Amino acid sequence: AQKVTQAQTEISVVEKEDVTLDCVYETRDTTYYLFWYKQPPSGELVFLIRRNSFDEQNEISGRYSWNFQKSTSSFNFTITASQVVDSAVYFCALSEEGYSSASKIIFGSGTRLSIRP
Amino acid sequence: DAGITQSPRYKITETGRQVTLMCHQTWSHSYMFWYRQDLGHGLRLIYYSAAADITDKGEVSDGYVVSRSKTENFPLTLESATRSQTSVYFCASSETSGGGTQYFGPGTRLLVL
Repeated sequence: AQKVTQAQTEISVVEKEDVTLDCVYETRDTTYYLFWYKQPPSGELVFLIRRNSFDEQNEISGRYSWNFQKSTSSFNFTITASQVVDSAVYFCALSEEGYSSASKIIFGSGTRLSIRP
Repeated sequence: DAGITQSPRYKITETGRQVTLMCHQTWSHSYMFWYRQDLGHGLRLIYYSAAADITDKGEVSDGYVVSRSKTENFPLTLESATRSQTSVYFCASSETSGGGTQYFGPGTRLLVL
């Protein structure tokens, strides 16, 4: 069965600090996809990144970077030089390719990140 | 504007009433989804649809009904609302299956008294 664990329920850091959000997943499939979404205080869900299981290359997008390690089943998200606008709940999610009718996504329970000025 | 919209954004209803939440997308995505978001549970899948007239249950489908007569619309109906259905409901759509990115609507906050 697929499962996503975000062990950090809440994180609070001071602005400009670097912060890493952990994500550990479980799946029996060899083909799967990992996602990160951001939910700011306004409530919408914003897509950040999608990574397939065959691409372990780390990705950097501005101050955001993602570290995918199949050996530890982890897909961690790092924000460098955090800003107050980064305050949000961040969700990690997993989708397997095995479903024939739709790509169901399983979400972790989320990490609430607070950036203090 | 293109995208995915939900209506109403806020709804208060009473126990036992039927409520329908609307979802509309302009991308012509084949796949559509309904989730509910509750504290401590993250997002949980209620129903999904692979195309018009093709729907299937998610992990928390009891008490909910969906239909999809047109590709762009995916309404969710609470047949007889209960307090436990107080939640934030998100609709999402995806162009492909097999790990396609899901794009979410703004959500509907539902309060059942």
